[in-house]
Amino acid sequence: GAVVSQHPSWVICKSGTSVKIECRSLDFQATTMFWYRQFPKQSLMLMATSNEGSKATYEQGVEKDKFLINHASLTLSTLTVTSAHPEDSSFYICSARTREGLRSYNEQFFGPGTRLTVL
Amino acid sequence: GDSVTQMEGPVTLSEEAFLTINCTYTATGYPSLFWYVQYPGEGLQLLLKATKADDKGSNKGFEATYRKETTSFHLEKGSVQVSDSAVYFCALTRYPNAGGTSYGKLTFGQGTILTVHP
Repeated sequence: GAVVSQHPSWVICKSGTSVKIECRSLDFQATTMFWYRQFPKQSLMLMATSNEGSKATYEQGVEKDKFLINHASLTLSTLTVTSAHPEDSSFYICSARTREGLRSYNEQFFGPGTRLTVL
Repeated sequence: GDSVTQMEGPVTLSEEAFLTINCTYTATGYPSLFWYVQYPGEGLQLLLKATKADDKGSNKGFEATYRKETTSFHLEKGSVQVSDSAVYFCALTRYPNAGGTSYGKLTFGQGTILTVHP
């Protein structure tokens, strides 16, 4: 249980195009999902916190107009990288936190990540 | 702000060797502490956790004790296997004062690459 999926697992796009990444909690409802960015051999950097039905909260330095986050339901959040450029190439990881009272409320479950390469 | 510092890697060990990966943290209040593992090509998996001082988290032979006096959460395993080769992340989360926006946020250390040779 507590499985989080991401789609696609990898994507290559041309500079200037937009790319959408989906994050789904498969067997639980997630009131909160988190989006991280991981550079090679580096740690995860939190980009934004997404709560179902409300606007995402972005970390300092993350452009909200470039990284659009939509948390449309309790099982789906999407990250859209708009007008992608080569410097946006990275590994994007989402995580989902369970609702209070279910499993470990404080625990986040991570997706397998999406490798984005912008040419 | 909150921060987590891990020992720098990479760490290279022979099979059955003893493993220690140091982790110290800075945070106000009483954070929960975690170790996550990332195997090659996979997402992060929770390895173990501790939610209050002196708690010991354990899983798959790994252990870590929440030491508030030294603000540490060092990861140990008595006998590593080749299959333990992965990247290990120490992390914390805490509950802010009412109205804070950092609820549930994880702060990660930089990760430590572990390679175990036969």
